[in-house]
Parts: sequence; C-alpha cells; structure tokens
Amino acid sequence: AQSVTQLGSHVSVSEGALVLLRCNYSSSVPPYLFWYVQYPNQGLQLLLKYTTGATLVKGINGFEAEFKKSETSFHLTKPSAHMSDAAEYFCAVRTSTNFGNEKLTFGTGTRLTIIP
Amino acid sequence: SAVISQKPSRDICQRGTSLTIQCQVDSQVTMMFWYRQQPGQSLTLIATANQGSEATYESGFVIDKFPISRPNLTFSTLTVSNMSPEDSSIYLCSVELYRGRNEQFFGPGTRLTVL
Repeated sequence: AQSVTQLGSHVSVSEGALVLLRCNYSSSVPPYLFWYVQYPNQGLQLLLKYTTGATLVKGINGFEAEFKKSETSFHLTKPSAHMSDAAEYFCAVRTSTNFGNEKLTFGTGTRLTIIP
Repeated sequence: SAVISQKPSRDICQRGTSLTIQCQVDSQVTMMFWYRQQPGQSLTLIATANQGSEATYESGFVIDKFPISRPNLTFSTLTVSNMSPEDSSIYLCSVELYRGRNEQFFGPGTRLTVL
C-alpha cells in the first residue's frame, strides 16, 4: 500500500532563509505525489504535483519539489521564506480505494513557522 | 479551479445529536470526497460520493454513522450521527474537477466540536 512520511512535524526558518520540508513515500507503482498547504482556519490548497515527466516541478508561491525515485523522496523547497508562508504543509500520494476509486493518502503534516 | 463552499463553517453540538454538513460546488463534478481531520492530525478519507450511486466508505467508517447524500453533480451532504466527543474534527469535502488530471480541490472545512 502506498503511504507518505513527513519528517518533522514542526519546522522553523528565518525570513529569507531556505525552506525545506521533507516527504518520503512508499509505493509499489509509479506514484503521483502532491503537496498541499493549509492556512489557519482554511481548507487545503494545491501547491504542486508530480505525475509523470520532469522530476522537478514548480508550484505556486515560489515553491518547488523534486521527485527522486532512488531516494523515494519528494521534498518541498523554497529559496527564500516569507512571513506569509507560515502554514501547515501536507504531502500526499494518490492511492486506490478498495472500490477501485482513486483517493489521496496524506502525511501527518509539517507546521512551518517563519521567524522575523 | 473550483469554488467549494461548506455549511456550517463551524458548530458546537451536544453528545447524541446529529449534524448534517453541506458541500456545494460551482461546477458539475463526478467525484466528491469527504475527509476528516482530527485535532492535530492529518486528513483521513471517510468516503467517496459518486452521483447516482451509493457512497463508498473507507475502512473504519460506516454508513450508519456517516450517511452521505449526492443528489446531483454539484451538491453533497455528510451527516455525523449520534455524535460523541471523539467526533470533534474538521470535516472537509473535496472534488476532482477533471478526471485524470489528478487534482483535488478542497472546501474550507466544517469545524465540529462535540460536548
């Protein structure tokens, strides 16, 4: 069964510093991988996704992630953190339900805090 | 993308009562999903609601506890029945706009507190 593991439930970075949020996946088939962001008291917003093709994917708000099959990783990065990046970030993998539908299986989330 | 609204946005309920959460989408979609996000935890899929057929439930979730309706392609409801404090969570609906695009869009969530 497919699953994702997010290392670090809380990450703090200084404003302007590099953001690195880690995600490792387990999948018996080529994975479809996603990063979502959840701002306080809001729903989830898709940041970026990897399905096929280029392994470095760019998303909204300056974020990008690289799919590394050899490392089974899909880490999220941003070169320079902004105060508005403070949020909860979820990595997810597309999996199949028992009924053949497709669903998302989420990691436990990483809360990103930006230090002024 | 899609505009997804949920009602209510939050509620405080008494043990033993039921609450129905509504999810409205501004375009017709085939696939709708209901997730639960317990305090401090990640999202867990409750069920998939397909128009014209019975909802399909994930392991650990049953129709008697979480009945779902899907009367048309833009609307769905999730009822949390006979609530207990353990049901206190955020409940989110999501939709897949374009089958095969592998993108789910989420509503703002309903924050439920059961006393």
